Amino acid sequence: GAGVSQSPSNKVTEKGKDVELRCDPISGHTALYWYRQRLGQGLEFLIYFQGNSAPDKSGLPSDRFSAERTGESVSTLTIQRTQQEDSAVYLCASSSTGASWEQYFGPGTRLTVT
Amino acid sequence: GQQLNQSPQSMFIQEGEDVSMNCTSSSIFNTWLWYKQDPGEGPVLLIALYKAGELTSNGRLTAQFGITRKDSFLNISASIPSDVGIYFCAGLQGAQKLVFGQGTRLTINP
Repeated sequence: GAGVSQSPSNKVTEKGKDVELRCDPISGHTALYWYRQRLGQGLEFLIYFQGNSAPDKSGLPSDRFSAERTGESVSTLTIQRTQQEDSAVYLCASSSTGASWEQYFGPGTRLTVT
Repeated sequence: GQQLNQSPQSMFIQEGEDVSMNCTSSSIFNTWLWYKQDPGEGPVLLIALYKAGELTSNGRLTAQFGITRKDSFLNISASIPSDVGIYFCAGLQGAQKLVFGQGTRLTINP
C-alpha cells in the first residue's frame, strides 16, 4: 500500500507568517510522529500521537508549534509567527501498535523562512 | 536531553571497501536502530537490535548492540555506489520515542 505522504514538499514563507504542514500516515497505523531535521543534523522529536491518547508534546520547542490529529488519520503541524530558525525539514512518521520502533518516514516538508 | 554520538561524521571511501561506523550514548537504551537517509527522502530502517550483545545482519550490513547497552556499531561490507547517503543510529527511549544521532555521511568514490 501507499507509504507516508507529506505536503507540501517545499514551503517558503516570510518571517512572521503561519504555516501548516500535513501528514498522511500509512493506513491502519495508530502511532504518528513529527520530527524536525535542521541542515546537516539528526532528527529532533517534536510530538507523538497514539490512538485516542493524549499526545506527547514534550519535544515541541515553543508555544508557536502545535499539532493535531483526527482519529488515526491525517495530522497537521502548525507553526505560528514563523522565525528564521524554524527553517528545516519537517518529517512525519507512522507505526503500527506494538511496533513503535519500526517507524516509516515520509519524504518531509522543507520549510524555508525568509 | 539524551544524545547519541555518532562517529565518524563523514567518510570518503573507494567502492568495494568495507565501512564501519558507531554510536555511543551516556544512557542505556533497550533498542537500537540504524537508518539510512537518501537526499530528499525520509530515513529508512535498516536494522533493529533488541538485545544486548545481539549481532544482526541484513545482506551486506551487520550491526551489533553493545553489551553495555550504551553503544552500537554498523558495518557495511564491499560498498557499492547505492550505499551513499547518511546513516543514523537511534535509541528507543521508553516505549515510543526515538533519540537520533547526528548521522554519518558516506561518500563513495567509484
